[in-house]
Amino acid sequence: DAGITQSPRHKVTETGTPVTLRCHQTENHRYMYWYRQDPGHGLRLIHYSYGVKDTDKGEVSDGYSVSRSKTEDFLLTLESATSSQTSVYFCAISDRGSTSTDTQYFGPGTRLTVL
Amino acid sequence: GQNIDQPTEMTATEGAIVQINCTYQTSGFNGLFWYQQHAGEAPTFLSYNVLDGLEEKGRFSSFLSRSKGYSYLLLKELQMKDSASYLCAVRAGNMLTFGGGTRLMVKP
Repeated sequence: DAGITQSPRHKVTETGTPVTLRCHQTENHRYMYWYRQDPGHGLRLIHYSYGVKDTDKGEVSDGYSVSRSKTEDFLLTLESATSSQTSVYFCAISDRGSTSTDTQYFGPGTRLTVL
Repeated sequence: GQNIDQPTEMTATEGAIVQINCTYQTSGFNGLFWYQQHAGEAPTFLSYNVLDGLEEKGRFSSFLSRSKGYSYLLLKELQMKDSASYLCAVRAGNMLTFGGGTRLMVKP
């Protein structure tokens, strides 16, 4: 299994509060991704990173920001949480070597509830 | 944009064979992935197709037809532990787009 951890694993917060989720990898992979998973929508990409300080938006980026100051850590921040951001958040990593299939490997997920 | 369709639910019997279909429309294509996800757990990688044809890996096989925008995942000799959701995902450019997943229930 790829060495990916997420913290916290569960969080309950109130509307309007800031929340930061952390993804940590020990695989030295270049690419990291944040997804959310909701019933009826499957997995949707929020943001991704292709290197330290290099990030780009995904399909559902509004209300979220990210930062990557080290190869191993990718942070997802909800500046002011809303109830629509209640979801399960998954981090993924991939290695884009020239012979790689670029398979993404997922962390265990964080269940976030915004009241 | 991407559009990926797969059935929402399927039921099959232990020991049988089941085929889970995935159709896609994409503005770019460089690979199709299948993932398995047990309830409350992370998705885990099953298979990858980039060329037309069948890829076999033990009890699981995956087929791709790029001209038809079609893939299927074939599960043989079903076991109870195969009860899970199966996610089809298409890669275009830097991103993976996932279908909504097919929940497979295996009955004794």
